[in-house]
This record gives sequence, C-alpha cells and structure tokens, in this order.
Amino acid sequence: GENVEQHPSTLSVQEGDSAVIKCTYSDSASNYFPWYKQELGKGPQLIIDIRSNVGEKKDQRIAVTLNKTAKHFSLHITETQPEDSAVYFCAPKTSGTYKYIFGTGTRLKVLA
Amino acid sequence: GAVVSQHPSWVICKSGTSVKIECRSLDFQATTMFWYRQFPKQSLMLMATSNEGSKATYEQGVEKDKFLINHASLTLSTLTVTSAHPEDSSFYICSARGTSKTARYEQYFGPGTRLTVT
Repeated sequence: GENVEQHPSTLSVQEGDSAVIKCTYSDSASNYFPWYKQELGKGPQLIIDIRSNVGEKKDQRIAVTLNKTAKHFSLHITETQPEDSAVYFCAPKTSGTYKYIFGTGTRLKVLA
Repeated sequence: GAVVSQHPSWVICKSGTSVKIECRSLDFQATTMFWYRQFPKQSLMLMATSNEGSKATYEQGVEKDKFLINHASLTLSTLTVTSAHPEDSSFYICSARGTSKTARYEQYFGPGTRLTVT
C-alpha cells in the first residue's frame, strides 16, 4: 500500500525562525497534497494544499512546495509563533479515490 | 462554511456495551464521509469510507461487524462500536468531503470523539 513518511518527527525552533517539514509519498499518481495542523484533543485543520499541476503555493507565513518527480512535498512556516506549536500531518490523496493516507506526523514546538 | 460536528465529544462506556458516535455536516451536503481512528501520539488511520445511501467500504483489518457505519442522509453519518473492549479506546474522527468543483478533494474534519472503555 501507499507509504507516507514525514521528517523530522519532532522539531523545535525559536520564535521568529522558520520551520520546514518534508513529506515523502510512494504513489506516483497522487494528485492532491494537503497539510493539516492538529492541536491537542482536536480534529485536524487544513492549513494549505496544493494540486499536482502547481509547484508552489503560498498563504501569508505558510507555503507548500511540491516535487512530483521526487515524490515529496514540504511545508514551510516562516516567522514562527508559539501558537504554531502543534502536530502537523501531510495527507496525500490516493489516486482514483478520495481517500487520504496520513503521514507519520511532525510535532512542532515553537519556543518563546 | 464547511463545518463538521461530532457528538458526543467524549464518552465512557463499560466493556461489552455499544456506543454510537454521530458526525454531521452543518452547512453543506456530504455524499462521502470518512471515519478515522487515532491512538495517542500516532497518526490518523482510515477505518472506512461512507457514501450516502450505500454500504460503507472498510479498510483492510477493520471489522465491519464491530464498527457499524450508517450514512442515511446527506448530512449525517454514524459509527457504532459494538461490544466495546478496552482496546477500542481511542480518538475517533470523522470527515466530510467537499462537493463543489473546486473543493471536491478537500476533507473537512470534525473535532473528534474520545472513547474510553472501562
């Protein structure tokens, strides 16, 4: 089945610094690539997504870059704030269905 | 827009009893809903895909007789955990798929239901 891995598994940064999380997937036909933020005890919230016909997308402090050839996409957060502390999941959509396969997760801690 | 609710937010039940969790799309119609399970400090694992008016499709390894899913309307799907055991204790999360052309790949997630079986 589809394999989805994230690196790193944990990340600590100083407030104001940038954070980058990488998601590697195995299904070369995946065509939709979202990133979710999950706070403790809550459901995941979509923070940014990208489709396979686009290489990069930005929304204020958050950006996503996609490398379809290498089968990975990355989440970039600039000017991090303590409220960015959470677990982040990538969830590429499997081909031919609407199902997501969630990545292994990355715990981001922003130190004030 | 695109709000999904779950009820209850947490539930404690005794071993051997059944518990029902509701998932509602509040401001849109959802032909497809998904049920996930998440154990502490782990990722979300898809349990089943639920399409309105038809039988749910379960992922490999998920017992369909234990986790009964009903999607009787375009805004409501239910998950019933039958004969619950302590190992079923987990965080259950539902999502609903967007129906507009621009959002047909997006899933909107509920806040989750924490089930504890004693």
